[in-house]
Amino acid sequence: ELKVEQNPLFLSMQEGKNYTIYCNYSTTSDRLYWYRQDPGKSLESLFVLLSNGAVKQEGRLMASLDTKARLSTLHITAAVHDLSATYFCAVVLSSGTYKYIFGTGTRLKVLA
Amino acid sequence: DAGITQSPRYKITETGRQVTLMCHQTWSHSYMFWYRQDLGHGLRLIYYSAAADITDKGEVPDGYVVSRSKTENFPLTLESATRSQTSVYFCASRATPEYEQYFGPGTRLTVT
Repeated sequence: ELKVEQNPLFLSMQEGKNYTIYCNYSTTSDRLYWYRQDPGKSLESLFVLLSNGAVKQEGRLMASLDTKARLSTLHITAAVHDLSATYFCAVVLSSGTYKYIFGTGTRLKVLA
Repeated sequence: DAGITQSPRYKITETGRQVTLMCHQTWSHSYMFWYRQDLGHGLRLIYYSAAADITDKGEVPDGYVVSRSKTENFPLTLESATRSQTSVYFCASRATPEYEQYFGPGTRLTVT
């Protein structure tokens, strides 16, 4: 059974600081996705990571994937208040399936 | 409107009633999904569909029924609603297994 764990579950940080959110998964996968969810809203796609060593960056967010370690990171650089949201990673079992398994989410609060 | 829509957006119903949540997408995506989101559980897959007339169970299918007679529609029916089905329900679609999923705006369902 594929399990996806994120940590931390809650993160409160000051504006301007850097931090990393971790996503660990339990079985082989070469596809990982990051989503953002604002309170009361739907999920918005941030990054699609499709191979070992993949790195994607958008603004102050950078995501990477290490399939050997079964680990993805979402790094936040010089946080701003607008990044406050809940971030989810989602993993798909290796080829042949199309089901996502979501992590429980990391609730990020950036303090001004 | 282009994209993925859900209706109703909010619904209050009584225990034992049948409820149908609608999902419509305009992209002709093959894959469609229903999730429920509850505090402490993240997003859990209820049912999914790889194409019209092809559906399968996800992690938490009990008490739910789906159908997919047309590619663009994927209704979710609660045959006899229970309080434990109070949740936010998200529909999602994607074109291929490798693509990210696009989520609808969600339906907040309360069962009294």
